[in-house]
Amino acid sequence: DTAVSQTPKYLVTQMGNDKSIKCEQNLGHDTMYWYKQDSKKFLKIMFSYNNKELIINETVPNRFSPKSPDKAHLNLHINSLELGDSAVYFCASSQGANEKLFFGSGTQLSVL
Amino acid sequence: AQSVTQPDIHITVSEGASLELRCNYSYGATPYLFWYVQSPGQGLQLLLKYFSGDTLVQGIKGFEAEFKRSQSSFNLRKPSVHWSDAAEYFCAVAGYSGNTPLVFGKGTRLSVIA
Repeated sequence: DTAVSQTPKYLVTQMGNDKSIKCEQNLGHDTMYWYKQDSKKFLKIMFSYNNKELIINETVPNRFSPKSPDKAHLNLHINSLELGDSAVYFCASSQGANEKLFFGSGTQLSVL
Repeated sequence: AQSVTQPDIHITVSEGASLELRCNYSYGATPYLFWYVQSPGQGLQLLLKYFSGDTLVQGIKGFEAEFKRSQSSFNLRKPSVHWSDAAEYFCAVAGYSGNTPLVFGKGTRLSVIA
């Protein structure tokens, strides 16, 4: 049973397209996150939601919009994709804002 | 496929004592290796990384880690633990090529007692 699952695992798309990455956790956690793995493989937080409410919104382009239909899901929607958006995106969850993180396996986004 | 094992879910050490957190990885070639710390109120922070070269790497906050290829290990050490080191520690591995995702261990929780 995968605790934090994100789909798709790979996403290849053209510049200018709009795409979504879905994330679901079955751990009953209250907090979910999106992280971006940069070209040096460093992780940087993008967003954090607690009980469907946005609590962290780091400096990311407003083309990136998280959507949380319920506390088990936090989807990442990206408008007008650019070449520089190519990266690996990780979803994670935790019981509370300062509790242990559980990571998804990542989505490799390639923008052509 | 890459994998990372952190055998210890929870470790408790006394303040001032030495610390070693274990990390074993499975990867077909020389990997990139990382240790991240998740501290209350500070989110996820990179402690140190190994890409190549000297197998003993120094990180922030007095931590170091040693890459041992023969043991497929990348254990994190600190000679004297401080109470503020209490946190969750994640080991991660990634391949060299392109945009391959980090693979995380399940984490080791460190508690520090007086």
